[in-house]
Amino acid sequence: QSALTQPRSVSGSPGQSVTISCTGTSSDVGGYKYVSWYQQHPGKAPKLMIYDVSKRPSGVPDRFSGSKSGNTASLTISGLQAEDEADYYCCSYAGSYPRVFGTGTKVTVL
Amino acid sequence: EVQLVESGGGLVQRGGSLRLSCAASGFSFSAYTMNWVRQAPGKGLEWVSYISGSSNIIYYADSVKGRFTISRDNAKNSLYLQMNSLRDEDTAVYYCARDNGGNEDYWGQGTLVTVSS
Repeated sequence: QSALTQPRSVSGSPGQSVTISCTGTSSDVGGYKYVSWYQQHPGKAPKLMIYDVSKRPSGVPDRFSGSKSGNTASLTISGLQAEDEADYYCCSYAGSYPRVFGTGTKVTVL
Repeated sequence: EVQLVESGGGLVQRGGSLRLSCAASGFSFSAYTMNWVRQAPGKGLEWVSYISGSSNIIYYADSVKGRFTISRDNAKNSLYLQMNSLRDEDTAVYYCARDNGGNEDYWGQGTLVTVSS
């Protein structure tokens, strides 16, 4: 099972919006509703930001939103803030391979 | 409050073995599937293994199949990962994570495993 493809990095100024793509196949992203996104700051454990493609856990700001079209999922951060600078990983259920993670994207706030 | 605390990491020789533990608290442990996820230094996240609440469903990543064994003791609220025939590429921080139906909603702080020749 290959890792999902994410851009290596994206950047934006405070207040701007950035979108991270996550491309898989019909056997993972395109085939199931179980796409999630994780934020990871250096030296810290990952934190769930989006689950089931577009749902936000309690406590996650509504600046974070998720969507999916075909085999590609996306995470959008609106109104970018300094604390959003981190690595972001998508993850999908893939049948008998319960989890496949994306390659990771570093978000830089300029 | 949900807490997951990993332990058992350390320095081990190539070909050696190590057993990781994850102590869970703050939730009904037996009701949840659990996962191990690892992260090599400077690299991305990699799913390692999955075990259902009653241990009747278990999966492994191809990279560890036949070498790693996941298990749990619901009476002790504990998750384990027995790692044998360790390779250089197994060097990573290992996280245990609670599965909340297709996603990992709580993660431990991780334990570092270093495989050295």
